Amino acid sequence: DIQLTQSPSSLSASVGDRVTITCRASQGIRNGLGWYQQKPGKAPQGLIYAASYLQSGVPSRFSGSGSGTEFTLTISSLQPEDFATYYCLQHNNYPWTFGQGTKVDIK
Amino acid sequence: QVQLVESGGGVVQPGKSLRLSCAASGFIFSSHGMHWVRQAPGKGLECLAFISSDGTIKYYADSVKGRLTISRENSRKRLYLQVNSLRGDDTAVYYCARGGYGLDVWGQGTTVTVSS
Repeated sequence: DIQLTQSPSSLSASVGDRVTITCRASQGIRNGLGWYQQKPGKAPQGLIYAASYLQSGVPSRFSGSGSGTEFTLTISSLQPEDFATYYCLQHNNYPWTFGQGTKVDIK
Repeated sequence: QVQLVESGGGVVQPGKSLRLSCAASGFIFSSHGMHWVRQAPGKGLECLAFISSDGTIKYYADSVKGRLTISRENSRKRLYLQVNSLRGDDTAVYYCARGGYGLDVWGQGTTVTVSS
């Protein structure tokens, strides 16, 4: 199975900050990577698919980039509702696999 | 609206089996591959199993291979997960999710607690 490594595991940031999370794959996955946001007690919600495409209804402050083995999720200006845990998911090879998560909390 | 609703969770003794269900509505179920994902308490997300739209192709995570069986009934718009030989580390919230552009629709989850 393909392993995904996210960094950092956690970060503290303030409203308005630019935040970047990285996801590295153990082998090339072309652009087959998505990003998900999860708040406590809730199901995850999709943000990005195919590395850089926004899921329907996702604010434009979220963006994704990368291909092959290195990917990033960027939040251009952190909002109060963005404090959550973020996961990357490779959807290029079965079985699909998640990164271990990055918790974004308030500084 | 597009919706997935899981059911079948509960408290189960170690060694027993359980079948989880996922009811789909608001979209053409038979056109989509489907997934089961779980999350143990305080832990991250784990993809468990995938089934193709027609049910002929199935994939499982190595960690659960041999104990889980994914299946579907397109006529009833239902997805299933049979979990056998339950053990403590199967305690988790189990989600069904629609495959498409990644996992684009999720259910609210059903909780399985393995305890004697």
